[in-house]
Amino acid sequence: AQRVTQPEKLLSVFKGAPVELKCNYSYSGSPELFWYVQYSRQRLQLLLRHISRESIKGFTADLNKGETSFHLKKPFAQEEDSAMYYCALRNNAGNMLTFGGGTRLMVKP
Amino acid sequence: ETGVTQSPTHLIKTRGQQVTLRCSSQSGHNTVSWYQQALGQGPQFIFQYYREEENGRGNFPPRFSGLQFPNYSSELNVNALELDDSALYLCASSSAGGGGETQYFGPGTRLLVL
Repeated sequence: AQRVTQPEKLLSVFKGAPVELKCNYSYSGSPELFWYVQYSRQRLQLLLRHISRESIKGFTADLNKGETSFHLKKPFAQEEDSAMYYCALRNNAGNMLTFGGGTRLMVKP
Repeated sequence: ETGVTQSPTHLIKTRGQQVTLRCSSQSGHNTVSWYQQALGQGPQFIFQYYREEENGRGNFPPRFSGLQFPNYSSELNVNALELDDSALYLCASSSAGGGGETQYFGPGTRLLVL
C-alpha cells in the first residue's frame, strides 16, 4: 500500500522567511513524487515533480529515499505563495496518484 | 486548447438516490482519473479510464462506477448514495494511460447528500 503524510495542516510564516512544507511517504516500489498547489478559487495544478529536478516559482523539492521524504522548500516566501499544497505519490503502474492531506501555507505581510 | 471541464458544479441529493457526474477531458488527452475530496482532506483516487476501459481502481465500493466515451469524456456514477459521499469530486485528464504524464484537474463537482 502507498501512503503520503503531510504532518502540518497549517504553516504560517512572514514574507521573506524560509518555508519548508513536509512530506513523508510509504511505498514499496520506486516512487514518483509530486507537489500540487491550489490557489484561492483556482483548480488543483502541478507545481513540480521530483524527476524534473527543477525549481518552479522559487520552490524546490528533493527526494530523500533514505528518509522517505519529499519536502518542499523556498528560501524567501512571498505573499502570493499562500495556498494549499498537496504532496502526491504515483505508483509504478502510473495509474494512481495518492495524495497527502495537504498543508495550508499562509504568508503574512 | 480547452481545459478540463466538469458538470454540474454543485448538486444536492438525498440518501439512497443515484448521481451522475460528467467530465470533459483536455484536448488531446485520452485518460481520465476521478478523485473524491472530503472536506479538509486530500483527494482520494477512485478510478482511472483509458481508451474506454477501467485502468486501475482505488479502495471504493462497486456502487462507484464509471464510463469513458469515444471522445474521451467520462462519467462517474454513484448508486445508493450515503451521507459520507458528500464531497468534492475531481476529474483529471492526461495524455497517456498509466504512462506517467501530468494530470490536469478540473474545477470539481461539489456533491451534498442529505
